Amino acid sequence: GNSVTQMEGPVTLSEEAFLTINCTYTATGYPSLFWYVQYPGEGLQLLLKATKADDKGSNKGFEATYRKETTSFHLEKGSVQVSDSAVYFCALSVRAAGNKLTFGGGTRVLVKP
Amino acid sequence: GAVVSQHPSRVICKSGTSVKIECRSLDFQATTMFWYRQFPKQSLMLMATSNEGSKATYEQGVEKDKFLINHASLTLSTLTVTSAHPEDSSFYICSARPPSDREGEQYFGPGTRLTVT
Repeated sequence: GNSVTQMEGPVTLSEEAFLTINCTYTATGYPSLFWYVQYPGEGLQLLLKATKADDKGSNKGFEATYRKETTSFHLEKGSVQVSDSAVYFCALSVRAAGNKLTFGGGTRVLVKP
Repeated sequence: GAVVSQHPSRVICKSGTSVKIECRSLDFQATTMFWYRQFPKQSLMLMATSNEGSKATYEQGVEKDKFLINHASLTLSTLTVTSAHPEDSSFYICSARPPSDREGEQYFGPGTRLTVT
């Protein structure tokens, strides 16, 4: 089956620190990979995505590279801001599985000034 | 961009009553919509896949008679929680996927907080 594992939080950082959230996956088939972000009290927003191996998704200073050899899609940001405080979800979809999204457990990030 | 709305954003109801939640895709047609449930500080649990003009497909363990889904048009899906009980209190989130999408990307609504007293 399909599954996504991401590091548990909460992750607490100071402003301008480097952020990494690890994400690994297992999939039957060739998945597309996503990072979604959920700000307090809101729904999920797509942060970035990658659809094939070695693709790099990027948005708002965040980056993640699709690593097929390590089945990973780690999220990174070089200098976080207080406004980056949110819950981050790694997810995958496989066309053969009806393109349903399979989510990781989410990682709560708290950035302190 | 693709916008999905939900209504209401919050609802409080008494035990035994039914509640309807609407999910609309505002600027695109969605042949497929999804309904999720999210418990506090947890990930999203897919409840069902809603297909326009046909019956919803429910995930294992989700009671289809309790969570009624109707996808009557290409821009509207509704979730009705029937005979609600306090354990149904949760954050319900819908998402929609444009028919042209091939990669599985979904656009999410802002969620509905249901509290059953």
